[in-house]
Order: sequence, then structure tokens, then C-alpha cells
Amino acid sequence: QKEVEQDPGPLSVPEGAIVSLNCTYSNSAFQYFMWYRQYSRKGPELLMYTYSSGNKEDGRFTAQVDKSSKYISLFIRDSQPSDSATYLCAMCRGSSASKIIFGSGTRLSIRP
Amino acid sequence: DSGVTQTPKHLITATGQRVTLRCSPRSGDLSVYWYQQSLDQGLQFLIQYYNGEERAKGNILERFSAQQFPDLHSELNLSSLELGDSALYFCASSPRDRVEAFFGQGTRLTVV
Repeated sequence: QKEVEQDPGPLSVPEGAIVSLNCTYSNSAFQYFMWYRQYSRKGPELLMYTYSSGNKEDGRFTAQVDKSSKYISLFIRDSQPSDSATYLCAMCRGSSASKIIFGSGTRLSIRP
Repeated sequence: DSGVTQTPKHLITATGQRVTLRCSPRSGDLSVYWYQQSLDQGLQFLIQYYNGEERAKGNILERFSAQQFPDLHSELNLSSLELGDSALYFCASSPRDRVEAFFGQGTRLTVV
């Protein structure tokens, strides 16, 4: 069993829809929970990260962490075609990027 | 643009050969991380250097090595290349040893 599980998709939604992306994990030691966006042929870009449980909002993006269920989510409101990308969840046991475990990524397509 | 520069963007080489990938971190960033992204394994941490010294090792093969120079740029050396080494190799940097790291555009290595 992988430490971090993520549905690879692809996920296709119409422009303006609310998108929900999710990951589950098995390691209780994870402290930081992150979401990266990766456009085709580009490097991953850190969208948001949270420490421990709770919600975090940044513009149209909201990240949620439920440590009791070992489940994290990323919501995208008012989705735009420019949001079309692969979204990687990631989790970290410590405070170093050397300890990050990445999900396999969900490919998202927003239809105009 | 993250400010992290990787060269070359693409590399095609034959099995058994040796290649060097180069990374210039963001100005002032002391920490450099190398990652490998492949279809079957996803994005995995290879090795970290901090201010010229090796700080952490991940799933890096013995045929692979890295170094960080006094000007903080880093090189990843891959030798005795095999078909399975074909992947995207990313470099990331951060000011110190942190969760938040900035990724370069990657080097796409194809071994034929």
C-alpha cells in the first residue's frame, strides 16, 4: 500500500464548476500537507500548504485536512480553463522538502 | 518563473553512458533538492545539498551522485544509464531546509 493515494483521473468539468480533489494517506506522522499544480512540461508549483489539521483558503482555492480520517482535499471555486493541469497532493513527516511524499497526481481539465 | 534554472531541458543518450544535469538555484537559496519523476514511480526525492554539503538522501541509486559547488549551483551525475532511468529530473531550492521549495522546469532524460 502506498503512503499517499490519489485518484489519477482524468477529471473533466465545465468552466465555473467547483472542483474537488482528494488524497488519502496512511502515515500518522505526516505534519505538513501540500498541494502542487503542474502544467504540462513544467515543474510542480506549490499552491498551498497547511500544518496539521484544518482549512486554509487562498483566493479560489481551499485546502482541507482531516487527520482523523487521514484525508485531504483541495477545492477550486469558479474553475477556469487555466486551472487545467495535474494536481499533486504531498505530505511531509518533518519540515524539510527532502521528506515530502507525493501523490501520483490527478489530471484536471476545465472545459470552456 | 520560479527562479530555478535547469539545463539542459532535454537529453537523449544511449544505455551505458554518463550524463550531467545542472541546476542553478534561486538567488540566495542554500538548499538544493533533486527529484525524479517517472510514470510508474511518480515524483520521488533523490538527494539534498545544503550550503555545499550533503544533507539528506532518498531513493538515489549508487550509479547516481550529486554535488553542490561554492556558488551554490548543483549537478546531478547519472552513470551507466539504463532504459529505466528515462524520466524527468527536477531540481528545487529553498532559502534554508524547509518544506516550501521552488521547482525548476526539469530535464527530460531519454535513454535509448
